[in-house]
Amino acid sequence: GESVGLHLPTLSVQEGDNSIINCAYSNSASDYFIWYKQESGKGPQFIIDIRSNMDKRQGQRVTVLLNKTVKHLSLQIAATQPGDSAVYFCAENSKGTSYGKLTFGQGTILTVHP
Amino acid sequence: DVKVTQSSRYLVKRTGEKVFLECVQDMDHENMFWYRQDPGLGLRLIYFSYDVKMKEKGDIPEGYSVSREKKERFSLILESASTNQTSMYLCASSPLMNTEAFFGQGTRLTVV
Repeated sequence: GESVGLHLPTLSVQEGDNSIINCAYSNSASDYFIWYKQESGKGPQFIIDIRSNMDKRQGQRVTVLLNKTVKHLSLQIAATQPGDSAVYFCAENSKGTSYGKLTFGQGTILTVHP
Repeated sequence: DVKVTQSSRYLVKRTGEKVFLECVQDMDHENMFWYRQDPGLGLRLIYFSYDVKMKEKGDIPEGYSVSREKKERFSLILESASTNQTSMYLCASSPLMNTEAFFGQGTRLTVV
């Protein structure tokens, strides 16, 4: 079946650096993508989303880039802070998927060192 | 703020017990979901519901059932708990297709 996956399971950065977390997807029908952040002991929290008619979307300190040609999604975090340490998940939905079902990747662990 | 509340943070149950996990959302969302989360496997969909009394199987429904008698409440039922159902269970809700899902804080279930 279709799946969403991550290139790197762990990422370690210094405080103040920019972080880039990558995600590959295989379903060409995917048209909606979300990044979630999950801190230890908590449920996933929405960070940012992007629809397939866009290549880039920016939020506060975060940018999501979508490359539909190679089915690749990335999350960029500017000036990474220790509070950004968490597991980051990408998720996708497709027009053919009913009722908002999201398919999640395995997650990337981001560790920010002070 | 949207609130999705799961009734328990931690549960310990014995093999063979019937287990109920409860989830309530306060934003009148149509869709509700149950996921389980295991290390290295990400979040896997167990069941979801798009309306009261409606349910659809997700990717791993075996050993589980669900109930949605009211719009705001979605229950996950383990008919006869087994040790391989030890996991983190996450409930989520969303208003429409192709929108973000809001998650509860999770229930860590241990079956002994």
